[in-house]
Amino acid sequence: NAGVTQTPKFQVLKTGQSMTLQCAQDMNHEYMSWYRQDPGMGLRLIHYSVGAGITDQGEVPNGYNVSRSTTEDFPLRLLSAAPSQTSVYFCASSYRRDAEAFFGQGTRLTVV
Amino acid sequence: TQLLEQSPQFLSIQEGENLTVYCNSSSVFSSLQWYRQEPGEGPVLLVTVVTGGEVKKLKRLTFQFGDARKDSSLHITAAQPGDTGLYLCAGALVGGYQKVTFGIGTKLQVIP
Repeated sequence: NAGVTQTPKFQVLKTGQSMTLQCAQDMNHEYMSWYRQDPGMGLRLIHYSVGAGITDQGEVPNGYNVSRSTTEDFPLRLLSAAPSQTSVYFCASSYRRDAEAFFGQGTRLTVV
Repeated sequence: TQLLEQSPQFLSIQEGENLTVYCNSSSVFSSLQWYRQEPGEGPVLLVTVVTGGEVKKLKRLTFQFGDARKDSSLHITAAQPGDTGLYLCAGALVGGYQKVTFGIGTKLQVIP
């Protein structure tokens, strides 16, 4: 029972580097989303997708890109990492937007 | 400003005590969800409330959705150390919006 698989679990980047956080789900869910979690700020929505080929911005999209070429995968790309992007990132999926969201284990990203 | 305001943000109580956590908004939600998150893990769904005035019970946890569907509460009876964690409310706005919003969360510590 894989559910939502996020990789990597930990990552350290230098300012200006780019990287992709991977997210895959095996539940055939249409709705997928990326959040960042920071102390005192809760979970903030970065980008979301309501199905393959469809993505949209959340509350804090700047500095991040997403694509959804398949139902299963929803990678998050950091274009040019900045210290302000130091955070814990969570990918989630659900069969529709207000249904139970299944979360990955998170990626702890540090940008130095 | 948060769309969903949670209070209190921190709560430390003795085992056996009762507590209530609140999730309030000025907006109307089609549904509200409560999640619990433990350190190093993603949030896990506890309950979804859909109908205004709805009350749901999950063992010692009682969830209520306000009549106007703008607020919700979580009451824990006879708290146990295993209840320790971060409690998050999340909701999908009425009106066709696809985004799901999370509150900041209430960090609960139950002391044995």
